[in-house]
Amino acid sequence: DIQMTQSPSSLSASVGDRVTITCRASQGIRNDLGWYQQKPGKAPKRLIYAASSLQSGVPSRFSGSGSGTEFTLTISSLQPEDFATYYCLQHNTYPLTFGGGTKVEIK
Amino acid sequence: EVQLVESGGGLVKPGGSLRLSCAASGFTFSKAWMNWVRQAPGKGLEWVGRIKSKTEGGTTDYAAPVKGRLSISRDDSKNTLYLQMNSLKTEDTAVYYCNIDFDYWGQGTLVTVSS
Repeated sequence: DIQMTQSPSSLSASVGDRVTITCRASQGIRNDLGWYQQKPGKAPKRLIYAASSLQSGVPSRFSGSGSGTEFTLTISSLQPEDFATYYCLQHNTYPLTFGGGTKVEIK
Repeated sequence: EVQLVESGGGLVKPGGSLRLSCAASGFTFSKAWMNWVRQAPGKGLEWVGRIKSKTEGGTTDYAAPVKGRLSISRDDSKNTLYLQMNSLKTEDTAVYYCNIDFDYWGQGTLVTVSS
């Protein structure tokens, strides 16, 4: 199975901060990766697909990069509504696997 | 508007069975690859399994912890996805979400396995 190691598991940041979250795959997955945001009690919402493509309707402060084994989600200027938990998902190989999540909290 | 509505969750004893449904509307269900994803209380997301469209074989894939106990099926005439859950364990307690290829998601249904 492909392991997705996501870091950090949590972070504290202020409104306006630049935030970076990383996912490392245990083997190459091309660009078969998505990033998801989840707020408490809600379903996940896709932000990024194919590692770097912005989902329709998602603010441009979100961006994704990477290919192969290392991927990054960047929030260029953190907004109040961005405090949530973020997950990466690889869909290159079955079983599909999520990263462990990154909880973004208010400093 | 795309809608996915899960139902069928509830409390069940270990070893018991449950069938979840996911009613779909607003898109061509028969062409969609559908997934189930679950989330145990206070934990992260876990992929459960996927079913392809019938035109692409209708085949299924599952995560190791559920293989042989949970099975996914679809009724394209009813625009409905199913998750048959047998031999349930306490560790199957979770909110279960259906989704269309991780793009659109339902609101989830809670399954609690407890004696």
